[in-house]
Order: sequence, then C-alpha cells, then structure tokens
Amino acid sequence: KAGVTQTPRYLIKTRGQQVTLSCSPISGHRSVSWYQQTPGQGLQFLFEYFSETQRNKGNFPGRFSGRQFSNSRSEMNVSTLELGDSALYLCASSRFPGQGTNEQYFGPGTRLTVT
Amino acid sequence: AQSVTQLGSHVSVSEGALVLLRCNYSSSVPPYLFWYVQYPNQGLQLLLKYTSAATLVKGINGFEAEFKKSETSFHLTKPSAHMSDAAEYFCAVSSSGGYQKVTFGIGTKLQVIP
Repeated sequence: KAGVTQTPRYLIKTRGQQVTLSCSPISGHRSVSWYQQTPGQGLQFLFEYFSETQRNKGNFPGRFSGRQFSNSRSEMNVSTLELGDSALYLCASSRFPGQGTNEQYFGPGTRLTVT
Repeated sequence: AQSVTQLGSHVSVSEGALVLLRCNYSSSVPPYLFWYVQYPNQGLQLLLKYTSAATLVKGINGFEAEFKKSETSFHLTKPSAHMSDAAEYFCAVSSSGGYQKVTFGIGTKLQVIP
C-alpha cells in the first residue's frame, strides 16, 4: 500500500510570495494533519482536516490556510511568505480524526526555503 | 493544557550500550503518550504508544517505554543500541478522547558510536 506522498519535496520561494503544498493520504485514510518542523520550535501543529472540514487548528497566523478535497487529498497554502516560514512541512494521515486515538502516518515532508 | 519535555537534545551511546531517552509530560487529563522516530530526510514513524492499558509498552525495533504516572514520565529504552538506531526521537502527548491535538517534544538526536 502506498504511503503518504507530499509534493513538491523541495521548494525555494522569495519573501512576499505565496506557496501551495500538496499531500495525498494513504488510500482509505480520511483525516489529514499538517505540521511545521523547525530546529528551534520542533513540530508544531497547523491544522487537521476530515471529510473536507477543518476539525482542529493550531496557533498560526491567518496566512496559513488549508483545504481538503473529496478524495481526501489536502493542500496547504502560505501567503505573503516570511523568512521565518522556512521549515519542513509534514503531512500525516489517519483513518479517522483525533490524533490522540488514531495512529498517524507521516509523509516525507516538503522542505520550504524562503529567501 | 499539555506539554512535553525531552531532556537532552543530543544523546550519544556506544554500539551495544543501553539507550535511554527521557520524556516528561504535563497533562490535565489522562494522557495518551507516543514516541516517534525520524530518520534523515524522512517523515516520522510511530515507535510505540501508551493509551492507558499496560504501563510497559513494547514497540518496534526493540524499543520499549514505561508510563510512570507518579513521575509524569515516559522514558524510551532499548537494551542494546545498533548503528541503525541513529535518528531523531520525538516524545508526544495527547489528551484522551475527542479531536485532541498531539503536542510534540523538541526532539532528541541519538548518535550511536561504533
């Protein structure tokens, strides 16, 4: 069974631009969560989607947004990029929502560099 | 509110030696606890999780962790380190029930010396 896939794997953008990252969950998984990973802050939760609805949200500014499609694929968007947005963005999927009770499977991440 | 503290951002052990990675948690309700491993250029992989059943949890690759409520700890151990264990390890906590978020620790990089 194919794992979680994320595209692109690497991305370089300039301050002020916007970026869209994509995540395809494991077949049959309907919940997708997004995380930002940086050396100083570790993993920080961005948001979780289930059945095309945002179920949970972390403490990030409104520049960070996401959505989920009917096939469970998810995208996250970051507008007006800042240098501090440089990070590894990880996507995780699970069968059902509720990260505490349902095992999450992580993708390899998208490495975003903002210059 | 919930939080996780991982003691030691870098840990070095000799091949064949005991691995001990420390994790203390804070949670206002009974927690779920997790250990994840991340190899370079990869996502996280679940090693083991505690969900209020047995306090000693066995995971993959020979790792285990013991839930100690009195010490609010969930330390990860492995009797004998292998070179392939070199990676970054994350402890995480979640409140049980509902759409609860998982909070991750800052991570501990394990170096295995031959």
